[in-house]
Amino acid sequence: EAQVTQNPRYLITVTGKKLTVTCSQNMNHEYMSWYRQDPGLGLRQIYYSMNVEVTDKGDVPEGYKVSRKEKRNFPLILESPSPNQTSLYFCASSLGGSNLEQYFGPGTRLTVT
Amino acid sequence: GENVEQHPSTLSVQEGDSAVIKCTYSDSASNYFPWYKQELGKRPQLIIDIRSNVGEKKDQRIAVTLNKTAKHFSLHITETQPEDSAVYFCAATGGSGGGADGLTFGKGTHLIIQP
Repeated sequence: EAQVTQNPRYLITVTGKKLTVTCSQNMNHEYMSWYRQDPGLGLRQIYYSMNVEVTDKGDVPEGYKVSRKEKRNFPLILESPSPNQTSLYFCASSLGGSNLEQYFGPGTRLTVT
Repeated sequence: GENVEQHPSTLSVQEGDSAVIKCTYSDSASNYFPWYKQELGKRPQLIIDIRSNVGEKKDQRIAVTLNKTAKHFSLHITETQPEDSAVYFCAATGGSGGGADGLTFGKGTHLIIQP
């Protein structure tokens, strides 16, 4: 089944404890993105990647890192999480070229205390 | 970069009536405009999209119109049903980033269908 997966789905952590949210797609998509969703603010892009080893900042990259060592995986890293990073996170991918439809993962709800 | 504005933030309509949600975008090079429906606790689901070479697209009770000159696009839902209640997001991409830079979303519209 073609899909985007994220893990974990729910995470409660404490300020400063490094964490990684994984994202994987099995559709051989070129483009991948991370978004965070907050009430009243919609979805805002954190980072995106247009291919292996090519990543770039989105609108709200502060406090986050990403890597794209393999085409299928695009992990989101929070080196030192803070309470203002409490949010719902979505990974998404698209084939690329003229095919821009984005497929979303199920989301990761992160709480930082 | 792209900026997408969406109105209204909340829309309440009677079951069976029509609903219209409007969005404007800033990057004249954007060429792909999807609409997503998000139910509580779920991921956004694509319901319809339109490209800049098309003025209107329809899928059963849902239609999207695009005015490139004015840089705005709208979602129209006819004969609304209770299951249409959700948050709807418009988005745009394909501009200066060629689409690789992902989607810029509007802030969302909470559509409430009153029985």
